[in-house]
Amino acid sequence: GQQVMQIPQYQHVQEGEDFTTYCNSSTTLSNIQWYKQRPGGHPVFLIQLVKSGEVKKQKRLTFQFGEAKKNSSLHITATQTTDVGTYFCAGPSGNEKLTFGTGTRLTIIP
Amino acid sequence: KAGVTQTPRYLIKTRGQQVTLSCSPISGHRSVSWYQQTPGQGLQFLFEYFSETQRNKGNFPGRFSGRQFSNSRSEMNVSTLELGDSALYLCASSFQGGGTGELFFGEGSRLTVL
Repeated sequence: GQQVMQIPQYQHVQEGEDFTTYCNSSTTLSNIQWYKQRPGGHPVFLIQLVKSGEVKKQKRLTFQFGEAKKNSSLHITATQTTDVGTYFCAGPSGNEKLTFGTGTRLTIIP
Repeated sequence: KAGVTQTPRYLIKTRGQQVTLSCSPISGHRSVSWYQQTPGQGLQFLFEYFSETQRNKGNFPGRFSGRQFSNSRSEMNVSTLELGDSALYLCASSFQGGGTGELFFGEGSRLTVL
C-alpha cells in the first residue's frame, strides 16, 4: 500500500533558526496537505497543494509540491516558540484514502 | 460554527471489553474519518464514512467497526479490546472527503486498555 515518509523524525532548533521537513510518497499524489499538531492537541490543517511544482507561502512558512507530485517540503524561517509541534504531511492514495506521513516533531530551544 | 465534537474524551477499559466512541461533525459536513494515533505508529487511517456509507477502510482487524447516521454523526466500536488498542482516536470531518479538502479534527478520545 501507499507509504508516506517524513524526515527528519525529530528536529531540535535554536529559536530563530530555520527548519525544514521533507515528505516522500511511494505513489503519485493528486494533492498534498500539511497539518500541525501542538503537544496535547489535535492536528490542524495548514495548507493543501495541488499543482506540480507549486509553492505557497504563509508568513514564515513555505510549502512546496514536487514536480513529480511524490514529494513535498515545509520550510519555516526564523522559528519561534509558537512553532513547536509535530508537522504531518498527508496525501490521498488511489482509492482516495488520506494517508498521513510519519510526522516531524519540532522542538525549539529558547 | 461549532467544531467537531468527540465523546468521551477519556476512558479506561479492560482487556476483552468493548467500547463505542462518538463523533459529531461540523454542520454540513457529510464525510467523517477516523484515525488511530499512537506514539509508535503515528496517524493510522481506520475508515471514512460519507452519507451513511463506508467509503474507505484501513488495515485494521474486524474488531474495529463504525457507522454513520443520517445526521452525519458517526460512531466507532472496538470489540474484544486488546492492550495494543490503547491510543488516541481522532475523528475528522470534511465537506467533500475522499482525500481532498481540509480535514477538521476533533479533540480525540483517549482510550486506555488495562
